[in-house]
This record gives sequence, C-alpha cells and structure tokens, in this order.
Amino acid sequence: DVKVTQSSRYLVKRTGEKVFLECVQDMDHENMFWYRQDPGLGLRLIYFSYDVKMKEKGDIPEGYSVSREKKERFSLILESASTNQTSMYLCASSLGTTNEQFFGPGTRLTVL
Amino acid sequence: QKEVEQNSGPLSVPEGAIASLNCTYSDRGSQSFFWYRQYSGKSPELIMFIYSNGDKEDGRFTAQLNKASQYVSLLIRDSQPSDSATYLCATNSGNTPLVFGKGTRLSVIA
Repeated sequence: DVKVTQSSRYLVKRTGEKVFLECVQDMDHENMFWYRQDPGLGLRLIYFSYDVKMKEKGDIPEGYSVSREKKERFSLILESASTNQTSMYLCASSLGTTNEQFFGPGTRLTVL
Repeated sequence: QKEVEQNSGPLSVPEGAIASLNCTYSDRGSQSFFWYRQYSGKSPELIMFIYSNGDKEDGRFTAQLNKASQYVSLLIRDSQPSDSATYLCATNSGNTPLVFGKGTRLSVIA
C-alpha cells in the first residue's frame, strides 16, 4: 500500500514565523503535490513537483515555497506565516500525472 | 480554466437506498476520472477510477462515465450510515494535475 506521511497532524504557529511542513511517500512516486483545504473552497493546489528539484506553481502559490531535494520528500514552506494561512494542508503523491493521487493524513495549521 | 462541478448537498438518503452523486467537467480532453471519499477531519481516500465510457462496478459502488455529455456519476447501493461523508470528483487530461470538484456531502439516515 502507498503510504504518504506528514510531519505533524496539528500545528500552532505565530504570525511571522517560518513554518515547514514535510511530506514523505514510500512508493517511489514521481509526482508530489501540496493542497490546502478550506470549508466551501474545496481543495486548492499550492505547488506540485514532477521530479526531484523541480517545482511548478499551482493555483494559489503566493506566500508559499517548496523544496524537493529527494524523490520521496516534498516540503512546503511558509516564509512568514499569516492568519489567512490557517487551514488544513494536504500532501499527495502519484506515480504519473494521469494516475490517482494518494493523500497523507493532513496537517491542520493554526496561525495566531 | 478547467472546472469540475458538483452539487454541494447535503444529499440525504435513507439507509438501504441508492445514493447517486453527480459530477460534470468542462475539459473535453479529460481522460481519467476519480471518486474520492472524505470523512470529516480526514484526508480524501480513493474509491474508484474510470477511464472509459460506460459503467464500472466495485462492490456496492458503480462509477458511470459519459464523455459525450461530460458527466461522471457514482452510485452507492445499499447505502449505510458509514457512507456518510463528502465525495470528491476529480479529473485530469494529459500531463496536468487532477482538478477536483468541491465535493458533495452525503448523509445516510438510519
């Protein structure tokens, strides 16, 4: 079974802090994705990566950056957290772009 | 802008009934279609995928695809209270990430 893990289930940070969210998958998937999910807005794609050291902007990249130094690991970085970044953050991976995505358990981030 | 539309619900069905969830998509080039189930506070989990026109059955679930009309549906037979969740439809075309609908909330009443 594909396993996607995320570093924290719950995280509370202060405005202005730098926040790192980590995601690891164990199935040698090429593609990895970061989403945020908010009530009424659905899943919104922040960034994705098709290969190591490659990244592509999704629909809402502002205020975020990413890093993929190893195939199995994809990190989301909030350079200076703001209260409007309070959300559920979901990481996913897939073998190919036309394949199904497998999601991690999510990190519920609260920025105070 | 590629879009996937779903009725937000809630869709309420009695236990044992058939629940029918529908999804329409805008991109005629869409090739792959997925249904995810998401329980409150949890992450989405894949239920089914379908690539070809017609029906695909897996246990109590049937996915139906009609590319000419650009819709895909999910039928849940013998609905159980444990099926109460939000169901997300997703599609993609070519070398692009999945586009997700906002989901339909299903409530199965015991």
